[in-house]
Amino acid sequence: NAGVTQTPKFRVLKTGQSMTLLCAQDMNHEYMYWYRQDPGMGLRLIHYSVGEGTTAKGEVPDGYNVSRLKKQNFLLGLESAAPSQTSVYFCASSPRGTPNYGYTFGSGTRLTVV
Amino acid sequence: GESVGLHLPTLSVQEGDNSIINCAYSNSASDYFIWYKQESGKGPQFIIDIRSNMDKRQGQRVTVLLNKTVKHLSLQIAATQPGDSAVYFCAEHYFGNEKLTFGTGTRLTIIP
Repeated sequence: NAGVTQTPKFRVLKTGQSMTLLCAQDMNHEYMYWYRQDPGMGLRLIHYSVGEGTTAKGEVPDGYNVSRLKKQNFLLGLESAAPSQTSVYFCASSPRGTPNYGYTFGSGTRLTVV
Repeated sequence: GESVGLHLPTLSVQEGDNSIINCAYSNSASDYFIWYKQESGKGPQFIIDIRSNMDKRQGQRVTVLLNKTVKHLSLQIAATQPGDSAVYFCAEHYFGNEKLTFGTGTRLTIIP
């Protein structure tokens, strides 16, 4: 049982390039989330999804787009990367959004934009 | 806006001693709190949780205390081990919200 898998683990982009981060979970969870983690700022929510075909904005959605075409996958896209998007990105999933259902996190994607 | 924060960004503890990591929250409507542990190069892992109708909850070597009067949460780790070295985050949930809000984290270093 793999849990939450993120690909790639590392990536270096040039300013203006685009890329897609993939998150896959095999736990049949309804909710999925994308966070970014910067030094001293904790985890900030970018976008999230409460089910297949749904997406919603989090705290810091600008510059990112997401899609949830299949329940098990949640994609995070950067259309035109900027140095400010250099960060570690974490995907998480949970059975539901209500209490008592903790999040399962992936191991992260370290993205550097030069 | 509402936020979850930590008093100390770093904490060093002698191996075998107990450690206490603190967290302040400001949303009086928060009904559920979670502590996560994040080891270097890994994603956060669930440690222990507590509902707002409880004051204390114990797990294996860990205890979470909740003081709603002063909006304070703490994580106590007993008999710390080298494997406890990590960044610890608190997170809060409030009714009607579909997501958790995370604090900035405290780095715990265990001194051999």
